[in-house]
Amino acid sequence: GNSVTQMEGPVTLSEEAFLTINCTYTATGYPSLFWYVQYPGEGLQLLLKATKADDKGSNKGFEATYRKETTSFHLEKGSVQVSDSAVYFCALSDRFDYKLSFGAGTTVTVRA
Amino acid sequence: GAGVSQSPRYKVAKRGQDVALRCDPISGHVSLFWYQQALGQGPEFLTYFQNEAQLDKSGLPSDRFFAERPEGSVSTLKIQRTQQEDSAVYLCASSLDGRAPSYEQYFGPGTRLTVT
Repeated sequence: GNSVTQMEGPVTLSEEAFLTINCTYTATGYPSLFWYVQYPGEGLQLLLKATKADDKGSNKGFEATYRKETTSFHLEKGSVQVSDSAVYFCALSDRFDYKLSFGAGTTVTVRA
Repeated sequence: GAGVSQSPRYKVAKRGQDVALRCDPISGHVSLFWYQQALGQGPEFLTYFQNEAQLDKSGLPSDRFFAERPEGSVSTLKIQRTQQEDSAVYLCASSLDGRAPSYEQYFGPGTRLTVT
């Protein structure tokens, strides 16, 4: 079956630091990959996605590249802000299994 | 436009009580999903509707869990004879067409269920 493993948190950073959250996956088909974000007190929202190998998803300064050879989809941001403090979830779905499979989430706290 | 809404936002139930959780998806979204999120974990799939048809209920943890979407819009997740292990946040999501994995699922704020 499909599964996602992501870096355990919590992660605490200073403003303007570089952020990376590792995510690897196991899938039986050809998955689409997603990063969802949950800001304090809010619902899950899509941050970025990639639907095929070597695609790069990007949004709000975050990027992730779909690496089929390493089955990874690591999230990166070059300079974080306090407003990036949130829980980040890596997820996948494939054409045989439309439901999303999520990682456990990584809590990120950015200090001013 | 309005997003996915869920009610109630918080529910406290005594063990053994029945509860009903409601989800209003985005208008026009064909697909609707329910997920369960335990504390400190990622959401886990419960069930999936395409219009009014429940196409997958493989994630429902027991026969105490029942979901319906009779008119292809609003959905209700019912839990009978609640147990402490049912305590979690229940998330509803909708999408234009869940059969296309690249379509975004839009999530509601969730219902936090606490069973005492």
